[in-house]
Parts: sequence; structure tokens; C-alpha cells
Amino acid sequence: FMLTQPHSVSESPGKTVTISCTGSSGSIASNYVQWYQQRPGSAPTTVIYEDGKRPSGVPDRFSGSIDSSSNSASLTISGLKSEDEADYYCQSSDSSNWVFGGGTKLTVL
Amino acid sequence: EVQLLESGGDLVQPGGSLRLSCAASGFTFSSYAMSWVRQAPGKGLEWVSAIGSSGGSAYYTDSVKGRFTISRDNSKNTLYLQMNSLRAEDTAVYYCAKDISVNIGFDYWGQGTLVTVSS
Repeated sequence: FMLTQPHSVSESPGKTVTISCTGSSGSIASNYVQWYQQRPGSAPTTVIYEDGKRPSGVPDRFSGSIDSSSNSASLTISGLKSEDEADYYCQSSDSSNWVFGGGTKLTVL
Repeated sequence: EVQLLESGGDLVQPGGSLRLSCAASGFTFSSYAMSWVRQAPGKGLEWVSAIGSSGGSAYYTDSVKGRFTISRDNSKNTLYLQMNSLRAEDTAVYYCAKDISVNIGFDYWGQGTLVTVSS
């Protein structure tokens, strides 16, 4: 079971960007997907859990969704800010095996 | 406020051993599963091991099975990772993470501790 993310994405401040996470087998909808943000030199933080829920303190500019037809999850960030520049990782679990995507570097131009 | 504070990272020779600790506060430690996640220099996140809330169940990624042992002391609110037969490829920052719920993912992370395996 693998999760595949684009290596990098870039967008301008104020715009909207979507990062995809595609499951290799089975249905990505069968297990919850989480998204983590990791700024340079810092530990990861959780921005989306259980597909689309936001922890307290995470702005509503961040949203998560599942598309069963493409077996993928997506993280959408609207109203981009320079502080959103970071690596983003999707994660899911399968039979007591926690799997991360390879990460996507978001550059805010 | 949830806090996770790792310690124990160090420089160790190949074949050596190390024990990492993670002191937890701000939540009912004994009610949650916990995990270790590592990140090699310049690489992505890799789940290493998880343990159930009571300590009765433990899970490992294939590359560390038989070498690493996860444990917890709920009376001390502390998570451990005993690492034996260390290899160069175990070099990474090791994070402890609090599980959201059973077999889902993580909601809180520690700041990490660096393990370097080198002669």
C-alpha cells in the first residue's frame, strides 16, 4: 500500500492550490487520510485529520477531501500566504501499518 | 496543552544501541496509542513503530522488526524506543506522535531527537 504525491507545487499569494495523494491499491476511502505540514527546520504539525477535519487553530483556508473515483485524497489551501510555504505529507493506515506519502514541497511565489 | 518531549538521541557506532524517551503531558497518556516516526536527512516521514494505550499491542515497520522495541510506562507518562543493532540507515530525527484514535494517524508531534549512526 503506497501513497503518491507530486514532488512539488507552486502558486502565488492569495491564490488556491490543491495537493493530491493517490492510493496504490484498494480504496483510499476505506481508511482515514491525514495531512501534515512541515516547515523548514520544524517538526510536523497536523492540518487535516479524518479526511476533512481541522484541528483547533488551523485556519479554514485548509480543507481536505476524498475522491473515490480517482482513489485519491486532496488538500486544498485557499488564500495562500507566504507562511504556508512548507512540505506537506498525506498519511493513511492499513492493517496496523501507517503509511506516508513522499511529501510535496509547496512554494508560494 | 499537549506536550511531547523526546530525548536520548546521540551519535552511536554501527551495531550499537540507544534508548529514546518521550515524556508526555497535557492529556490522559494511558488512553491513547502512541507512535514513533522518523525522518532521515533530506528525506520524507517514515512510520517506525506504534503501541496500544495499555502497552499490550505493538507494531513495527519491516526494516526495524527484531531490532527495535517500543514500550511505555503509563505511570510515568513516558514512551520509549529501544534501538539495537543500529545501522547507518537508521540515522534520522525520531519524532514521537500521539495517535488520534486506533489505527488512524497523529494529532500531536514532539520536536524530535537526532540519532546518528556512524563510525
